[in-house]
Amino acid sequence: NAGVTQTPKFQVLKTGQSMTLQCAQDMNHEYMSWYRQDPGMGLRLIHYSVGAGITDQGEVPNGYNVSRSTTEDFPLRLLSAAPSQTSVYFCASRGEDRLSSRTQYFGPGTRLLVL
Amino acid sequence: AQKVTQAQTEISVVEKEDVTLDCVYETRDTTYYLFWYKQPPSGELVFLIRRNSFDEQNEISGRYSWNFQKSTSSFNFTITASQVVDSAVYFCALSEANGGFKTIFGAGTRLFVKA
Repeated sequence: NAGVTQTPKFQVLKTGQSMTLQCAQDMNHEYMSWYRQDPGMGLRLIHYSVGAGITDQGEVPNGYNVSRSTTEDFPLRLLSAAPSQTSVYFCASRGEDRLSSRTQYFGPGTRLLVL
Repeated sequence: AQKVTQAQTEISVVEKEDVTLDCVYETRDTTYYLFWYKQPPSGELVFLIRRNSFDEQNEISGRYSWNFQKSTSSFNFTITASQVVDSAVYFCALSEANGGFKTIFGAGTRLFVKA
């Protein structure tokens, strides 16, 4: 299993540009989520999904869109990038059965710089 | 609303010292999970331990131990005989049933272990 994969690893954008951060998992996990990590702020939840076709907002959803058309993929879209979105983005997934005990496993992260 | 507080921003110790990382959480739910993750300088997030709200038994894994006390809403993490390789940022996290078990993180504690 590849686990949770994220692409790209690093991206530079200009203010106003749009882009999609890709996230995929091959563990058949129902739950997936996106976090951003900023210095001194820990990881803050952006959006999450409890299954294909179902998404919900986290703590800091503004400026981001998500969709979940398949179990495997959970892309994060920035429609009009702003310097405040400069951050490291982590995608995570977890199983919902008792064995997994709701432990999230994280991708390697995407470092985004918005100029 | 769920909240996780890690009051210690940075801790610096000398190798072989014991160190305790504090975690205090807030939740109105009776069913929840608590987690600790490690983020070494390489940046990935590594799962360390999970505890559910119905299991207050403390756990030891090698040099790591965890003290879960519902009476004080704390889930502290102790590293015994610290080593340079323990240098990392450590995150405490909470996932509660009310809200679909979405996981909220504390701000993290950066641990420096000096040789």
